[in-house]
Amino acid sequence: AQTVTQSQPEMSVQEAETVTLSCTYDTSESDYYLFWYKQPPSRQMILVIRQEAYKQQNATENRFSVNFQKAAKSFSLKISDSQLGDAAMYFCAYRSANNAGNMLTFGGGTRLMVKP
Amino acid sequence: NAGVTQTPKFQVLKTGQSMTLQCAQDMNHNSMYWYRQDPGMGLRLIYYSASEGTTDKGEVPNGYNVSRLNKREFSLRLESAAPSQTSVYFCASSVSGGTVNTQYFGPGTRLTVL
Repeated sequence: AQTVTQSQPEMSVQEAETVTLSCTYDTSESDYYLFWYKQPPSRQMILVIRQEAYKQQNATENRFSVNFQKAAKSFSLKISDSQLGDAAMYFCAYRSANNAGNMLTFGGGTRLMVKP
Repeated sequence: NAGVTQTPKFQVLKTGQSMTLQCAQDMNHNSMYWYRQDPGMGLRLIYYSASEGTTDKGEVPNGYNVSRLNKREFSLRLESAAPSQTSVYFCASSVSGGTVNTQYFGPGTRLTVL
């Protein structure tokens, strides 16, 4: 079974600065997808960014980018120019490409605090 | 589009009571999911439905039943609630097949079992 580990329970960043959240995963598969979800205090789960494992190019979405290291099974999220609205729980998630049910396996989350 | 909606938003039950959590999506997705989130933890899959008419167990199915009523609706039932089922419950949906198939989540239901 796949596992997803987020080793940083909490992170803090100054507004306008850059922060990187770590995620590692364990799998024996070669084809899969990785996601970062944001959960603000409203509890809604919001997709931030996603990466297909077969793509070498790292995904970017505006101020959010990933550093995908397939050999190291690492998938970190970089947030540039941090804003107060970025404060939330962030979850890394894995999905096998062979999974007909599209099931996600989540990490334990990292709470990001943004200081004004 | 409302996306994924869940009712109720909050519920308090006594041990042994039953209830059904409702979920509906208007995105014409084939697959739907129920997760639970315990304090300080990530989401864990309870049950999922890959397509209308099918349901399968996830990681933590004990104490729950589900019904895929039609393509839009997927309900989660607690037959005899226990304090260990105190959690926040999320419903999600996605297309099936294809490639990335992002899951879209509802706003969650906070359930407390006394």
